[in-house]
Amino acid sequence: AQSVAQPEDQVNVAEGNPLTVKCTYSVSGNPYLFWYVQYPNRGLQFLLKYITGDNLVKGSYGFEAEFNKSQTSFHLKKPSALVSDSALYFCAVRDNRNSGYSTLTFGKGTMLLVSP
Amino acid sequence: KAGVTQTPRYLIKTRGQQVTLSCSPISGHRSVSWYQQTPGQGLQFLFEYFSETQRNKGNFPGRFSGRQFSNSRSEMNVSTLELGDSALYLCASSLGELRSGEKLFFGSGTQLSVL
Repeated sequence: AQSVAQPEDQVNVAEGNPLTVKCTYSVSGNPYLFWYVQYPNRGLQFLLKYITGDNLVKGSYGFEAEFNKSQTSFHLKKPSALVSDSALYFCAVRDNRNSGYSTLTFGKGTMLLVSP
Repeated sequence: KAGVTQTPRYLIKTRGQQVTLSCSPISGHRSVSWYQQTPGQGLQFLFEYFSETQRNKGNFPGRFSGRQFSNSRSEMNVSTLELGDSALYLCASSLGELRSGEKLFFGSGTQLSVL
């Protein structure tokens, strides 16, 4: 069974500093990996995804993530955090065996708090 | 283009009742998937519908069911409500099925409280 771990419930960073939100995964076969962000009282918004190709994926709002197959990780990064980045971040994975019974598995989420 | 619309926004029910939630996907999207979000369990996949057929199902009891209509609108039904069903229920739409790896567009959710 596939699984996703986000080891930090909360990440605190000062505005202007780089940020990292960690994600590790377990899946059979090669993974499809995603990051979504949830602002208060709203649904999730897509940030970026890795399907294949370049291990460094660039997404919305200046975020990027690096796929590391040997470490089974897909950490989310941003060079310079903004207060407006404060939100709940979810990592998600599904395997790409093209099975009709594949599901999408989310991590429990990491709250990012950016202080002014 | 209108986003994913979920109705109602809030619901209060009592144990034993049943509830139906509605989701209208983005125009042209054929896949609708449903998720339950709770503080303890996080975000859990319920099921996916594509072209009126259930494609995938998560690990939830049979009290949770859904359907999709020919216009891609979807409904989710929960029967014999339990206190533990209190959650934010999110639906998401995409052009293709989940297995295609396309990004999802989420609605704002229906907050269900079971008393």
